[in-house]
Amino acid sequence: DAKTTQPTSMDCAEGRAANLPCNHSTISGNEYVYWYRQIHSQGPQYIIHGLKNNETNEMASLIITEDRKSSTLILPHATLRDTAVYYCIVSDSGGYQKVTFGTGTKLQVIP
Amino acid sequence: SAVISQKPSRDICQRGTSLTIQCQVDSQVTMMFWYRQQPGQSLTLIATANQGSEATYESGFVIDKFPISRPNLTFSTLTVSNMSPEDSSIYLCGMGFYNEQFFGPGTRLTVL
Repeated sequence: DAKTTQPTSMDCAEGRAANLPCNHSTISGNEYVYWYRQIHSQGPQYIIHGLKNNETNEMASLIITEDRKSSTLILPHATLRDTAVYYCIVSDSGGYQKVTFGTGTKLQVIP
Repeated sequence: SAVISQKPSRDICQRGTSLTIQCQVDSQVTMMFWYRQQPGQSLTLIATANQGSEATYESGFVIDKFPISRPNLTFSTLTVSNMSPEDSSIYLCGMGFYNEQFFGPGTRLTVL
């Protein structure tokens, strides 16, 4: 699986959009971009995934650049409950194979 | 969606002893995963457990230290053997379902 690079930490004001970047310059054509988050003292939680088109669900939006070398996870209206570590992962195996976690981005939502 | 439970949720153990962690899922799954998360760190995969076969261990993890059982499609155990303070971590199980992986709440282990 390709490696990813994320900022170590970010702050976001409550109610504003949180934009979390991820670089995955060595991604291959059949690899998806996945995002998970881990709220303190809980197991990781799936957020969203995509291949090359932008994706949106009830939790977030995922914007993937045309060359697929980077992506951005957008939380449109961050709340205090969104404070967590966010992991960007690339994988060609969906949910049925092992997931390799990087260091992630610690998002702190500020009142 | 999938629901995963782990027992115990936390434990404090003496060095040299062993602890078995149980993971129960509410769906039948072929592959289950065990991860370790050391304090302040990301998750590291220990092993992949397939029902009916030996677990596959990642580099740096061995069966003698972390024996795994997978007796059926909804249950697995991880034993942390001959514990030392360096084994103090959160241990999580996970399973894949379609395009997502689901994770248990974790077992917080402290070794004195």
